[in-house]
Amino acid sequence: EDQVTQSPEALRLQEGESSSLNCSYTVSGLRGLFWYRQDPGKGPEFLFTLYSAGEEKEKERLKATLTKKESFLHITAPKPEDSATYLCAVHRSSNTGKLIFGQGTTLQVKP
Amino acid sequence: NAGVTQTPKFHILKTGQSMTLQCAQDMNHGYLSWYRQDPGMGLRRIHYSVAAGITDKGEVPDGYNVSRSNTEDFPLRLESAAPSQTSVYFCASRPKTGVNSYEQYFGPGTRLTVT
Repeated sequence: EDQVTQSPEALRLQEGESSSLNCSYTVSGLRGLFWYRQDPGKGPEFLFTLYSAGEEKEKERLKATLTKKESFLHITAPKPEDSATYLCAVHRSSNTGKLIFGQGTTLQVKP
Repeated sequence: NAGVTQTPKFHILKTGQSMTLQCAQDMNHGYLSWYRQDPGMGLRRIHYSVAAGITDKGEVPDGYNVSRSNTEDFPLRLESAAPSQTSVYFCASRPKTGVNSYEQYFGPGTRLTVT
């Protein structure tokens, strides 16, 4: 069965304290792995797409990496404005565009 | 471009009442989906459409209907609301073709409470 698991559920960091969020997946025929950011009361905002193992993408303080079993979202020297829930989702082949979402990791960065 | 817009932002319904959640996109995306987000359940797809006139069921379609008469609009209808339909609803769109065709863009959501 297709499954996406994110850990930890919640993470509290001090400003400047780097860390990583994990997204492990079990899916046949991965077409893409997506990272989204969701602020309270808002819709998920697209961050990255990763298509194959070894691929990396960066945006400001965020860096996403992908292996055959998991993806990491590395946050370098976070700031309070990075506080949000980060969602991971996978798209597998021949499923009409369905995204399988993880539960999310809620990140709080304290000044 | 406004992207994906949804109305209303909040709504309270009584059990048995009906309502329509509106979704519109102005990015000329062919593919539209409705998701619901519940605590501990993540985002789950309700219905989707690959083009005007074509709709199909997602994971959790019961109690919901959709229609797609044009490229821009994709309304979600609750015919007889139940408390189990209390949730936050998101509409999402993506291009049908192209290198970024798997990237979905979400609207701001509708928070619905059924009492």
